[in-house]
Amino acid sequence: AQSVTQPDIHITVSEGASLELRCNYSYGATPYLFWYVQSPGQGLQLLLKYFSGDTLVQGIKGFEAEFKRSQSSFNLRKPSVHWSDAAEYFCAVDFQGGSEKLVFGKGTKLTVNP
Amino acid sequence: EAQVTQNPRYLITVTGKKLTVTCSQNMNHEYMSWYRQDPGLGLRQIYYSMNVEVTDKGDVPEGYKVSRKEKRNFPLILESPSPNQTSLYFCAARDRVSYGYTFGSGTRLTVV
Repeated sequence: AQSVTQPDIHITVSEGASLELRCNYSYGATPYLFWYVQSPGQGLQLLLKYFSGDTLVQGIKGFEAEFKRSQSSFNLRKPSVHWSDAAEYFCAVDFQGGSEKLVFGKGTKLTVNP
Repeated sequence: EAQVTQNPRYLITVTGKKLTVTCSQNMNHEYMSWYRQDPGLGLRQIYYSMNVEVTDKGDVPEGYKVSRKEKRNFPLILESPSPNQTSLYFCAARDRVSYGYTFGSGTRLTVV
């Protein structure tokens, strides 16, 4: 079965430090890839998405992600984390590329220390 | 402001009592979807709709029904709720071009 793996359940970083959240997916010729963020008590907000083209995509709030087809990965990065980035982050994959079936990872909870 | 509105935000009900969670979007989007979120399991798709009167099952459709009679509304119906349907539910909508779903704020359902 197609699956999305976020290996880190919980990550803690200091404010100002760099951040990388990992996401791997099982397989897919032309997947559509997404990162969402969920603040406590809130819905999910789209950070960025990748369909094709340049494998480094820029998103909102200073986030970027890099698609590596050979590694089936779509890792999320931020050069300098702010306290307001504390939230849960979800990677999601549309394996058929353009279907309505989004498969989500189980999420990575980010804690930011002052 | 582009919005997906779910009601109610919180609901406690008893086993077997039919309930409906409403979802409405003001963006005129064709595509809508329902997800449930459970600790340690992430989000799982229940049903989705590609337009009025066009719906299909997601990964966990058992025990749920949906309808799409109007473009803006996509209610989730639990005919006979059971405790294993206690969860946090999200409705989402997107247009056919930009992809990227806009999510509602969620409905926390407890079935006792």
